[in-house]
Amino acid sequence: AQSVTQPDIHITVSEGASLELRCNYSYGATPYLFWYVQSPGQGLQLLLKYFSGDTLVQGIKGFEAEFKRSQSSFNLRKPSVHWSDAAEYFCALRSDKEGNDYKLSFGAGTTVTVRA
Amino acid sequence: DGGITQSPKYLFRKEGQNVTLSCEQNLNHDAMYWYRQDPGQGLRLIYYSQIVNDFQKGDIAEGYSVSREKKESFPLTVTSAQKNPTAFYLCASRGGTSYNEQFFGPGTRLTVL
Repeated sequence: AQSVTQPDIHITVSEGASLELRCNYSYGATPYLFWYVQSPGQGLQLLLKYFSGDTLVQGIKGFEAEFKRSQSSFNLRKPSVHWSDAAEYFCALRSDKEGNDYKLSFGAGTTVTVRA
Repeated sequence: DGGITQSPKYLFRKEGQNVTLSCEQNLNHDAMYWYRQDPGQGLRLIYYSQIVNDFQKGDIAEGYSVSREKKESFPLTVTSAQKNPTAFYLCASRGGTSYNEQFFGPGTRLTVL
């Protein structure tokens, strides 16, 4: 069965410092992976996605993620964090087709706090 | 502007009452989804629908019901059979190919009093 693990529940980072959020997946075939961001009390916004091709994926808001098949990872990075990046981040894996659709499996999320 | 709207943003319900959460999209997407979000648990799929008049149970469908009478609307009813309904509920939609991402609405926070 497919699954997504985000090992870090909470990360605190200083403004201007770099950020890396970890995501590990379990899946037998080539995964389709997503990173979403959620501000408090809001819906989820897609940051970036990986389906195939270049393993370094660029997203919105200055984020990037690197797919590493050998490590079953899809870590999210940002070189310099802004206070507005404080939010909860979710990694998601598109599952095998069940019924007539592909579902998303979400990690438990990582909350990012940015200190001045 | 195209997007997904959910209403109301906050909803309070007494125990034993059914309540319906609204989800509307004007993205012309075929697929729509309902998720439940609890702290530290990520998102869990309640129901999903690929086309009008058809829907499937997700991982935690017990105590919930849905309908899909129109392409743009996918309301979720939280029934009195749902043992622990207090949560944040998110609606999403997806269009085009299966490679496309899901777009999310702003959510409804349901609190049972």
